Amino acid sequence: DGGITQSPKYLFRKEGQNVTLSCEQNLNHDAMYWYRQDPGQGLRLIYYSQIVNDFQKGDIAEGYSVSREKKESFPLTVTSAQKNPTAFYLCASSIRPGLRSYEQYFGPGTRLTVT
Amino acid sequence: GQSLEQPSEVTAVEGAIVQINCTYQTSGFYGLSWYQQHDGGAPTFLSYNGLDGLEETGRFSSFLSRSDSYGYLLLQELQMKDSASYFCAVKSGSARQLTFGSGTQLTVLP
Repeated sequence: DGGITQSPKYLFRKEGQNVTLSCEQNLNHDAMYWYRQDPGQGLRLIYYSQIVNDFQKGDIAEGYSVSREKKESFPLTVTSAQKNPTAFYLCASSIRPGLRSYEQYFGPGTRLTVT
Repeated sequence: GQSLEQPSEVTAVEGAIVQINCTYQTSGFYGLSWYQQHDGGAPTFLSYNGLDGLEETGRFSSFLSRSDSYGYLLLQELQMKDSASYFCAVKSGSARQLTFGSGTQLTVLP
């Protein structure tokens, strides 16, 4: 079955540590996205990538970094510079950047808690 | 900047019809999407309006008026499983990315 996987589902870290969240898709989608969701809030775009080896900052990129070395994979690193990292992180993909970006497929999410 | 407004909560009974409104302010508008998210789950795509008018998909319909910067999601024959959060999202800007609203929590009562 095609889809997006994110691991782990729950992640706990101490303040000051960097942590990398995994996102893999086997949908053969070109575009991938990372969103952050806080309780009772909508989704805010952190980074997106429209093609391998290229990515762009979203609305809240500070304190985060990404890479896109393979079409299938788009890992997100939450660095110690992110002031409030505890949140629900969602990875998504769409078949084409721009044109079909209105229809995004989401992974199950990673709930990160930093204490 | 961009802004979207939708009601924070809506309650309706099983079998009823409910409408969730969304107003937006943005530049470079392309269209309006709707997503459903159950508690703790992943958002799932429901519909997209790139042009004015009504789009129907089963029990769900979505409407867009570009001149009024307004859209809505209409859910008919409500079922308990429709209890979820519903997000409108505008596709806009040169990168044509999505900007999401804060979501509407729909509670369906028996």
